[in-house]
Amino acid sequence: DTEVTQTPKHLVMGMTNKKSLKCEQHMGHRAMYWYKQKAKKPPELMFVYSYEKLSINESVPSRFSPECPNSSLLNLHLHALQPEDSALYLCASSLTGVEQFFGPGTRLTVL
Amino acid sequence: QQQVKQSPQSLIVQKGGISIINCAYENTAFDYFPWYQQFPGKGPALLIAIRPDVSEKKEGRFTISFNKSAKQFSLHIMDSQPGDSATYFCAASISYNTDKLIFGTGTRLQVFP
Repeated sequence: DTEVTQTPKHLVMGMTNKKSLKCEQHMGHRAMYWYKQKAKKPPELMFVYSYEKLSINESVPSRFSPECPNSSLLNLHLHALQPEDSALYLCASSLTGVEQFFGPGTRLTVL
Repeated sequence: QQQVKQSPQSLIVQKGGISIINCAYENTAFDYFPWYQQFPGKGPALLIAIRPDVSEKKEGRFTISFNKSAKQFSLHIMDSQPGDSATYFCAASISYNTDKLIFGTGTRLQVFP
């Protein structure tokens, strides 16, 4: 299996909802990432897990909460989001850190 | 110093032509330079990458040219096809400080038949 999968593909949520994004890879990669991408912009790094430990948090608001249950899974828990949080949320994984492989993303709309 | 500047913002090329996208950086510690291709509604896909010990790398119709002294690198797409229409991002990274990719601002390429 040589891909990163993400679920759901689309998510619409209200500002009071709690939802989770899921990411999975079976390439044996040691690092997994969450990125946020707004339209016509490059991906912005949010979190990095290396060997299942949070290694980078790019000063992301606490309404985003990452979790890495095991070396193949990465979750992003969402709570009390704002409309400006609407974006494409990308998961990536890497063995080396420099070659990063992205999933298809979850299109999130916050109403 | 952590920025990667990318140009042009958008590019229109006729089918069969050559598409050229340029990137420039300041931080001389960068030692890995990938290019990503992103189609609408999809995640970025690693297209080709280069390290500063070589001046050129070619994979099929895609070539990276690297000028270490000028701190510039570029992507050339030969014989551009309508299927190449996508947004292209250059990026840079420091191998010993892994996990952080510094992305350029992106170039939207449109190839017309």
